[in-house]
Amino acid sequence: SQQGEEDPQALSIQEGENATMNCSYKTSINNLQWYRQNSGRGLVHLILIRSNEREKHSGRLRVTLDTSKKSSSLLITASRAADTASYFCATGPFYNQGGKLIFGQGTELSVKP
Amino acid sequence: DAGVTQSPTHLIKTRGQQVTLRCSPKSGHDTVSWYQQALGQGPQFIFQYYEEEERQRGNFPDRFSGHQFPNYSSELNVNALLLGDSALYLCASSPSPKVARWEAFFGQGTRLTVV
Repeated sequence: SQQGEEDPQALSIQEGENATMNCSYKTSINNLQWYRQNSGRGLVHLILIRSNEREKHSGRLRVTLDTSKKSSSLLITASRAADTASYFCATGPFYNQGGKLIFGQGTELSVKP
Repeated sequence: DAGVTQSPTHLIKTRGQQVTLRCSPKSGHDTVSWYQQALGQGPQFIFQYYEEEERQRGNFPDRFSGHQFPNYSSELNVNALLLGDSALYLCASSPSPKVARWEAFFGQGTRLTVV
């Protein structure tokens, strides 16, 4: 079963605009991670945020985590056509349960030039 | 430094057949996990291998089995294929669960089509 739900399921924006994707999850977590997937191929790790962190930045990416609301958001600033991909949040690993990741269903982002 | 490599990239099988998918983890990683991703869905955890043993398993039937070799590479076997097994199969490698820093690197996947 899926742990999280992403919102929106699909997002279409113009190049240069910001893109915000949201993820909600059900159970307590140690970490939450965001991945990108191009054209149904492999997943690329973007950023990991730990449960005791509230915000993290990496280049044009900004991730926030609100454990009280069991939600996270990914912001991509100044988007580019190359950012077109599916984005997934994943909870885990759960240190007492091995390295399993539980993924949401993803947000499909389309950036138009 | 090669990343995670999976083979084959594409595969077409007939219902009832058996299939073996292969994965070589990233250098320095000794833990391999397998995921199934149906079209339009997020990846679902199948199982994880560490020290040549299955350490954790997701909600998949016994038709799905695996193996890890001494060089840390891994195989995923699926018996008695069903149409519903058609999916992208992803392999992820990570450091030992014993290390503090943890990150998973994914291969490009094997696209399995069952006809």
